[in-house]
Amino acid sequence: EAQVTQNPRYLITVTGKKLTVTCSQNMNHEYMSWYRQDPGLGLRQIYYSMNVEVTDKGDVPEGYKVSRKEKRNFPLILESPSPNQTSLYFCASSFGGMGLGTGGNGYTFGSGTRLTVV
Amino acid sequence: EDQVTQSPEALRLQEGESSSLNCSYTVSGLRGLFWYRQDPGKGPEFLFTLYSAGEEKEKERLKATLTKKESFLHITAPKPEDSATYLCAVQRPGGYQKVTFGTGTKLQVIP
Repeated sequence: EAQVTQNPRYLITVTGKKLTVTCSQNMNHEYMSWYRQDPGLGLRQIYYSMNVEVTDKGDVPEGYKVSRKEKRNFPLILESPSPNQTSLYFCASSFGGMGLGTGGNGYTFGSGTRLTVV
Repeated sequence: EDQVTQSPEALRLQEGESSSLNCSYTVSGLRGLFWYRQDPGKGPEFLFTLYSAGEEKEKERLKATLTKKESFLHITAPKPEDSATYLCAVQRPGGYQKVTFGTGTKLQVIP
């Protein structure tokens, strides 16, 4: 089954304790992205990657890191989490770009990771 | 600043009562507009992509349209299983992955 798999689904951690949220896709997609979803603010893009070793900042990258060493994996790293990073996180992937010239396939999203930082 | 505004925030319909959701945007050089459906506790699910004013896309009871300033998601004779949050997103200049989402319209269809 074609899917984007995130782990863990739920995570409670303490301020300052480094953590990694994993994301893996089995569709051979070039493009992957991380979003956070907060009430009233919608989905906001954290980082994205156009291919292996190619990443760039989205709209809210502060406090996050990413890496893309393999095409299928795109982990999100919080080096020193803070309470304002408590959120619902989604990983997404797409074949080609989001729309232009690729048939407009849109993203395939993972099921989400609910992170609480206390 | 690029903005995507969805209205209404919430909508309650009787089964069979058709209506429309609105997505207005202020993006220069729109590259694509997307509609997603999100069920509680799940990731958004892709519905449509629209590229240019006048374009329309249909899927079952849903029809998406696009003008130069806004998009509408028309829901014809909705059923309870259409209950979900509907998200609009725009792809803006600056790269394939420069995407801005609206905050969504939460639709509830009552039997």
